[in-house]
This record gives sequence, structure tokens and C-alpha cells, in this order.
Amino acid sequence: DAMVIQNPRYQVTQFGKPVTLSCSQTLNHNVMYWYQQKSSQAPKLLFHYYDKDFNNEADTPDNFQSRRPNTSFCFLDIRSPGLGDAAMYLCATSISGGHYNEQFFGPGTRLTVL
Amino acid sequence: RKEVEQDPGPFNVPEGATVAFNCTYSNSASQSFFWYRQDCRKEPKLLMSVYSSGNEDGRFTAQLNRASQYISLLIRDSKLSDSATYLCVVSDYGQNFVFGPGTRLSVLP
Repeated sequence: DAMVIQNPRYQVTQFGKPVTLSCSQTLNHNVMYWYQQKSSQAPKLLFHYYDKDFNNEADTPDNFQSRRPNTSFCFLDIRSPGLGDAAMYLCATSISGGHYNEQFFGPGTRLTVL
Repeated sequence: RKEVEQDPGPFNVPEGATVAFNCTYSNSASQSFFWYRQDCRKEPKLLMSVYSSGNEDGRFTAQLNRASQYISLLIRDSKLSDSATYLCVVSDYGQNFVFGPGTRLSVLP
């Protein structure tokens, strides 16, 4: 089945130790997104790729970076995780250009910062 | 004013009840509308897209009023398994998606 895959599902890191989260998709969607979600809050968009074009949200901290080496893969790099970065990180995909093209989400990576 | 607003919740209803969720959006250029459900510690999953003419899927009915920039979701005959957070999502042509804050529903036995 076509899907969005995230690895790892659970990540524990130490304060200040860089971490990379990965996302892959078999849907061949041209848009990929990274969201941060904290408890009892809606997902917060960090950035997205429209094809190869990177779109950063204005309030996304510089600590968060992303790479999309090809259509299928997208990475989230947290350069120096702080305690406040502990959250669920969700990857999503969509196809641009039509009505009712919804987002498809991966299962998320739950990040713990010690 | 937030781009997408929803009933603050939580909603606690008995099994079998009918419950309605409301959502308003501020960007009149929005083109696509969705309801997602999110279970605790899981990813959001599409419940239904919302069509201009309104649409129904079993116990779920969605309505769109473009003039009022208002979207609704009606759940009839609530089940325990309907307990989740319901997210209203508004989009342009499939690139920019704006989430509402969500409304939590608890269906009680």
C-alpha cells in the first residue's frame, strides 16, 4: 500500500545533541511537510517543500533544518535540541493543484529530550 | 483573529447522542475543506472532505457555507469509538493547509 513512513517512531536524545528524523513516501506526492505537535495542541507547520522549493514558516526556529534529496525522502534536522523541542513530529504529503487533495500523514516520531 | 477557529470543547456526550462541531475560516480564497480526526498519540487521519453541496458518509454529515465561511460536522448516534479530537482543515489548491485548534470529543457509556 502506498504510504508515508517515518523513522524512528521514538527518538530519545540529549540536550544539545543533534538529531535527524526521516520521512519517506510511496505516494509520489510533490509536496512534503514537517509539523511539530505538542500535547493538546494542533499540529504546527515548521516548513514544507513544494517540489524542490523549500518554504520556511516565519516562526520556525533556526535550530530546525530540512533536506529533501529526492521526491520520496525528506529529513528534519534539529541541530541543538532543547527541552522545549520534545514533541511529536509529523511528516505529511499532498499533491498540489486540485480540489480535495488532502494531506496524508505518517505515524509520527515522538522525540524525547533528556 | 486566527485563520481557522473551532468550538473550544471538550464535548462530553452520551452514547447515541448527536453532536455538531463548528468551524469558521478567515481566508475567503480558500478552496478545499476537510475534517480530520486524531486519536490520542496518533497521526491525524482524514475523516471526510467537505464538498460545496454538503456530503454524508454514514453517521457523519459535513456542510460548507462559503458565504459565511463556515464549516460544520454532524455526528449522529455517537459511538464510544468516535472519541477523538476533530480538526478542521482549510486549504488552497493542495499546497497550503491551515489547521484549526481542534475540538475534543468524549463519548461516554
